[in-house]
Amino acid sequence: GENVEQHPSTLSVQEGDSAVIKCTYSDSASNYFPWYKQELGKRPQLIIDIRSNVGEKKDQRIAVTLNKTAKHFSLHITETQPEDSAVYFCAATGSSGSARQLTFGSGTQLTVLP
Amino acid sequence: DAGVIQSPRHEVTEMGQEVTLRCKPISGHNSLFWYRQTMMRGLELLIYFNNNVPIDDSGMPEDRFSAKMPNASFSTLKIQPSEPRDSAVYFCASSPRDGYGYTFGSGTRLTVV
Repeated sequence: GENVEQHPSTLSVQEGDSAVIKCTYSDSASNYFPWYKQELGKRPQLIIDIRSNVGEKKDQRIAVTLNKTAKHFSLHITETQPEDSAVYFCAATGSSGSARQLTFGSGTQLTVLP
Repeated sequence: DAGVIQSPRHEVTEMGQEVTLRCKPISGHNSLFWYRQTMMRGLELLIYFNNNVPIDDSGMPEDRFSAKMPNASFSTLKIQPSEPRDSAVYFCASSPRDGYGYTFGSGTRLTVV
């Protein structure tokens, strides 16, 4: 099955700086890579995703890059703000027959210092 | 759409009691997933259904756990008997036919004392 590793486990940045979170995956058949943000006591929420047919995707201050050869993908947050503080999870999945099963990384606690 | 709806939001029960968690997926989504989240183990997939049929229950920790999906709009996760180590947040998620974009429910925080 798929195995997703995520680094770092904690990350502190100054407000306005950039933050980068990296993930690797094991299954070369995986073709969908979403990122979720989870604030304390709340549900994980999808913030951006990328499919294997593109190498980069951007949405305002958030971008994700994918290197299929190396089997790694990264989340980039620019101009960080205090409200970006949360736990971020990467995930990977292929299409396993009838459904798409997500395997999550272990999470990164991002703290943006004012 | 109201999103994925889970109940109850919080559950406190005594060891040995039966616990039933409920989930209503987004209308039109045909896949439903049950996850458990703990500090130690992160987000673990317990079981998932496609078109109401259980596809993979290899993540269910033991026979004390069971899940059903009697129709497209309702699923339950049952723990019987419950143990303190079952204390966690249980999330239900659903996704559309193409599988892109899971939506999570608000979760049920279970405490077994």
